[in-house]
Amino acid sequence: ETGVTQSPTHLIKTRGQQVTLRCSSQSGHNTVSWYQQALGQGPQFIFQYYREEENGRGNFPPRFSGLQFPNYSSELNVNALELDDSALYLCASSLTGDLGEQYFGPGTRLTVT
Amino acid sequence: EDQVTQSPEALRLQEGESSSLNCSYTVSGLRGLFWYRQDPGKGPEFLFTLYSAGEEKEKERLKATLTKKESFLHITAPKPEDSATYLCAVRGGFSSGSARQLTFGSGTQLTVLP
Repeated sequence: ETGVTQSPTHLIKTRGQQVTLRCSSQSGHNTVSWYQQALGQGPQFIFQYYREEENGRGNFPPRFSGLQFPNYSSELNVNALELDDSALYLCASSLTGDLGEQYFGPGTRLTVT
Repeated sequence: EDQVTQSPEALRLQEGESSSLNCSYTVSGLRGLFWYRQDPGKGPEFLFTLYSAGEEKEKERLKATLTKKESFLHITAPKPEDSATYLCAVRGGFSSGSARQLTFGSGTQLTVLP
């Protein structure tokens, strides 16, 4: 059974640029959720995708957007990067969107300068 | 709005010194309380799910318990490899709009000294 994978591992961007982060879900999981984790804090929910559609969103602005593909992999896109976007971005996959545990990938460390 | 508070923020134990971590929560219609372990620079690793007051789960030196307002993670005779940040999260109900997300606390950073 393959776990959740994310790419890239680390990324450095300049303020105002755009970034795309990628996630492959665990085998058999059709739901992907994205979280942002600032240093010393717990993860914060960004949004969730199920069957290629967004079906839940946290308190993040529209410049945070995503996609889910037919093979359940997913992308997180962030436009107009700000310094405060520097964080660990975590992808989690699950069997369903509203029940049970979520399994996390290793994360992508984004640094905005 | 769902809220999770974890205490203490940091805990240092000697190897073999048992202790407990606390997770207090406020949620409308609890649909699961989750414990994760996170090592530095890595993603959270799932440990336990608890659904109703009185429920208990065990795994090696860890035991999680749940009441209507809080959960405890008991660590018995810890070893240095148990050093990590332990995160607690809740899933709320559909009426609160949080059924599809996990709301996390800030975690307890545990250090076990040899």
